[in-house]
Amino acid sequence: SQKIEQNSEALNIQEGKTATLTCNYTNYSPAYLQWYRQDPGRGPVFLLLIRENEKEKRKERLKVTFDTTLKQSLFHITASQPADSATYLCALLMDSSYKLIFGSGTRLLVRP
Amino acid sequence: DAGVIQSPRHEVTEMGQEVTLRCKPISGHDYLFWYRQTMMRGLELLIYFNNNVPIDDSGMPEDRFSAKMPNASFSTLKIQPSEPRDSAVYFCASSWSGEPDTQYFGPGTRLTVL
Repeated sequence: SQKIEQNSEALNIQEGKTATLTCNYTNYSPAYLQWYRQDPGRGPVFLLLIRENEKEKRKERLKVTFDTTLKQSLFHITASQPADSATYLCALLMDSSYKLIFGSGTRLLVRP
Repeated sequence: DAGVIQSPRHEVTEMGQEVTLRCKPISGHDYLFWYRQTMMRGLELLIYFNNNVPIDDSGMPEDRFSAKMPNASFSTLKIQPSEPRDSAVYFCASSWSGEPDTQYFGPGTRLTVL
């Protein structure tokens, strides 16, 4: 079965730096990959989607890359701010269904 | 738009009791998803509906769990009887077939079974 790995250790960075989070998956490539943000006590919020035939997608300070050879997606937040502190989840859609498989998430802490 | 609405936000019950979680999807959305989130297993899809019809319930852990969607604006997830290992945060999410890639999550129901 498909497995998704995200770094379980929290990422602690200084304000203004670029945060880079990693999502690795096993087995076959998904149709697309999504990134969500989750704050404590709240539901995940959709951020970005990248399809298997796309290499990179950007939205404001966010950038996602997708390498189907490495079976990896990188999520970047440039000019990070303390307000970016949250847990970030990656999710894969494997086929034409709408069934998402989520990673366990990586907690990001941006120090002022 | 009010977003996805879930109730109750918190539920504490004793083992063996029936628990019913409720969800109101975003108006106009035709997909509804129920997820469970725990520290050990992360966020798992339990079941999803399209136009009120269950499409995939392979994530439902066992027969104690059941879900219904009697109409486009309401769904329930029922656990009967509840067990301590059911303690988790249960999320409902909805999406629209015109933008199926984006799921909108509710605030979740934190369930504690004693």
